[in-house]
Amino acid sequence: GAGVSQTPSNKVTEKGKYVELRCDPISGHTALYWYRQSLGQGPEFLIYFQGTGAADDSGLPNDRFFAVRPEGSVSTLKIQRTERGDSAVYLCASSFNRGQGYTFGSGTRLTVV
Amino acid sequence: AQKVTQAQTEISVVEKEDVTLDCVYETRDTTYYLFWYKQPPSGELVFLIRRNSFDEQNEISGRYSWNFQKSTSSFNFTITASQVVDSAVYFCALSEAGDDKIIFGKGTRLHILP
Repeated sequence: GAGVSQTPSNKVTEKGKYVELRCDPISGHTALYWYRQSLGQGPEFLIYFQGTGAADDSGLPNDRFFAVRPEGSVSTLKIQRTERGDSAVYLCASSFNRGQGYTFGSGTRLTVV
Repeated sequence: AQKVTQAQTEISVVEKEDVTLDCVYETRDTTYYLFWYKQPPSGELVFLIRRNSFDEQNEISGRYSWNFQKSTSSFNFTITASQVVDSAVYFCALSEAGDDKIIFGKGTRLHILP
């Protein structure tokens, strides 16, 4: 596609529920990144994929967070047993190759009530 | 450890004034990349510039200019003749060579008043 697409744009869920956030990167971009942006803060790195594999998942806050990219294009960020502190905007970005500038999507605003 | 500090939380200027956004970074690497991103109210992060640590030349792009000073570990961003459409949150960021993640500062919220 022309840009990085993230769905849904907004998600409200109850505490304890499971959510999935989807990212569709720019066609041909091998590198894909997930970031989380809390209110009033800069984006914080969560995980980086090169192709299908997670090359760096050092930013995932705990084992409730998991991400996959099974075919090297679309990625899904999965959050189990959501907590109110998980509320944030989850941003996805992609680039043609590592080290190059990213293109970010518009984000998914997750609200846990 | 990598760190990016944007000391100015919020700035307001009147349209047509010049404004400089400060950025100070910390890194132990000799090879690294510096970035500026703009986040308008719509929320999407817009890439503005990427500089590598070996290129200290200042850069100008229209009304935007960047001053990279390794001696003071700063990468400041100036908007000349500001316009209301420049109102946004601006993030400075750093990436070390060989590391794929970008570390962002907390951002500076810029208000351009008509």
